Amino acid sequence: NAGVTQTPKFQVLKTGQSMTLQCAQDMNHNSMYWYRQDPGMGLRLIYYSASEGTTDKGEVPNGYNVSRLNKREFSLRLESAAPSQTSVYFCATHPLVAETQYFGPGTRLLVL
Amino acid sequence: SQQGEEDPQALSIQEGENATMNCSYKTSINNLQWYRQNSGRGLVHLILIRSNEREKHSGRLRVTLDTSKKSSSLLITASRAADTASYFCATDAVETSGSRLTFGEGTQLTVNP
Repeated sequence: NAGVTQTPKFQVLKTGQSMTLQCAQDMNHNSMYWYRQDPGMGLRLIYYSASEGTTDKGEVPNGYNVSRLNKREFSLRLESAAPSQTSVYFCATHPLVAETQYFGPGTRLLVL
Repeated sequence: SQQGEEDPQALSIQEGENATMNCSYKTSINNLQWYRQNSGRGLVHLILIRSNEREKHSGRLRVTLDTSKKSSSLLITASRAADTASYFCATDAVETSGSRLTFGEGTQLTVNP
């Protein structure tokens, strides 16, 4: 039981490049989330998916798109990366009835 | 803007001492949660306190909630070097009920051996 997995672990991009961050969970949770964490800061919500087939904007959605591919997978896409998107990105899941969120190990992204 | 604000931003204590961290928030909540983050890792859930609860214990952790002051505190008793980490509060606001959490900026706790 792997919980929440994220790929890749590290990525370096040049300004303007695109990439997709992958998140998968094997806990059969309905809700999935993407956060970013900047140095010395808390987490800010980018997008979330309350259930398969739905996605909603969070606090900082600009420059990102998401896809809830199926119940297990939730991907985050940067179409044209900018240095301001340098951050650590965390995926999290949330079962329907419990309030706790379960986090993946994070993807460290550096945009040059 | 962040719903929760932790205080202090950083705390350094000796092993065996107690550590207290505070969290303030702005809107009505269903529950408040505390998470821990070791350096370079994801967040791990520690404890959840509901809006109708005032105090909750889990092992060496004690959480209090004062909804009239919109504040919470996390007490770690008899701290250990392994408690060194960042601690975040997160609120489940009534207006977004259950669909999302809002995190504070965290308290960096260092426990010196």
